Amino acid sequence: DAGVIQSPRHEVTEMGQEVTLRCKPISGHNSLFWYRQTMMRGLELLIYFNNNVPIDDSGMPEDRFSAKMPNASFSTLKIQPSEPRDSAVYFCASSASGNSYEQYFGPGTRLTVT
Amino acid sequence: AQSVTQPDIHITVSEGASLELRCNYSYGATPYLFWYVQSPGQGLQLLLKYFSGDTLVQGIKGFEAEFKRSQSSFNLRKPSVHWSDAAEYFCAVGLISGGYNKLIFGAGTRLAVHP
Repeated sequence: DAGVIQSPRHEVTEMGQEVTLRCKPISGHNSLFWYRQTMMRGLELLIYFNNNVPIDDSGMPEDRFSAKMPNASFSTLKIQPSEPRDSAVYFCASSASGNSYEQYFGPGTRLTVT
Repeated sequence: AQSVTQPDIHITVSEGASLELRCNYSYGATPYLFWYVQSPGQGLQLLLKYFSGDTLVQGIKGFEAEFKRSQSSFNLRKPSVHWSDAAEYFCAVGLISGGYNKLIFGAGTRLAVHP
């Protein structure tokens, strides 16, 4: 298995632009998590999907952030408009049903907003 | 509120030396506890987990951790560190929130290994 796949690995954009981060979970996993990692705040859970349905989005910082999971093999995290304070590493993780503590993380997308 | 504290932000050890990374948690019920490792430029990888039973758990890469309820601790240990162990280590507690399993991570401890 290729593991959790994220793209792009690095993204540099200007303030005000739209950014879309992509994630392909491990095949057969039905839980998907988006995290943000910064030096100041550490690892924060943004949103959790189960069977493609958003279950908990309480960690999404504000309306500029949105996430979708149109099918079991694909999810996106969109920021529009982006701001410099959104600069961070964004991780996607997936887990199998009934075992969502054992999360498998992707390599992350390092986002820089100038 | 549930929380995880890793008191040491940075630790440096010599290759071959023993290692102990500290983790304290705050959780009302019996916790599910985890250690994850993040190598540079990589995502997090599960090292080991504690759900119940034997309080000393073995993980991958020669790591072990001991759950001590009286101290609310789950410290990670390795008897002899290798240069490849240089990474950031995260302790996490698993809890049920809003009807689903959720991980709360500590701030992490960055480990440097001197030759």
